[in-house]
Amino acid sequence: SAVISQKPSRDICQRGTSLTIQCQVDSQVTMMFWYRQQPGQSLTLIATANQGSEATYESGFVIDKFPISRPNLTFSTLTVSNMSPEDSSIYLCSVDGLGAEAFFGQGTRLTVV
Amino acid sequence: AQSVTQPDIHITVSEGASLELRCNYSYGATPYLFWYVQSPGQGLQLLLKYFSGDTLVQGIKGFEAEFKRSQSSFNLRKPSVHWSDAAEYFCAVRYGGATNKLIFGTGTLLAVQP
Repeated sequence: SAVISQKPSRDICQRGTSLTIQCQVDSQVTMMFWYRQQPGQSLTLIATANQGSEATYESGFVIDKFPISRPNLTFSTLTVSNMSPEDSSIYLCSVDGLGAEAFFGQGTRLTVV
Repeated sequence: AQSVTQPDIHITVSEGASLELRCNYSYGATPYLFWYVQSPGQGLQLLLKYFSGDTLVQGIKGFEAEFKRSQSSFNLRKPSVHWSDAAEYFCAVRYGGATNKLIFGTGTLLAVQP
């Protein structure tokens, strides 16, 4: 299994500002995934981050709004840009295990006011 | 479109009672099936998974799930629920390969009455 640490665990931000969420994994992985969980909803994949290449975004998510960095095989960041109250969600980082299961960080609970 | 359905949004059971949470997936070859639990303020923890073989799989915390291909179902069960099982449960599926996109159901919120 993989141990994933996310920072910050929660934050309250003003609309129009940006927040960068960090994700650290205890082992080297090829792909890292970022999910959004809106209040009372399920998880939606935002993008897949590969080291050394541009992130791949899912339909409905764009790089200008959710820029992602992947500087090495154990670390990634997701930035939520120009935030509005609609961006209030839990953001989760994930990696795949050897058995096709996914492991998740504890999430970042974002409230935009 | 490939999807996962969890028909029950909320379920309340008494402590000590049995539990079954339903999950149905849309038809697809070689589904990889998972159940996750999310406790308040926490990330997701894997309870169990099914790829092939014995259709009754055992997981952590006393949970089990049964894969029924004919019904496209992968229901989660526990014979005796504990108060600490109160959480949200998500069924998830990968279609067509172990590295394909993970698709989540909408979740079932479990409440446990004393």
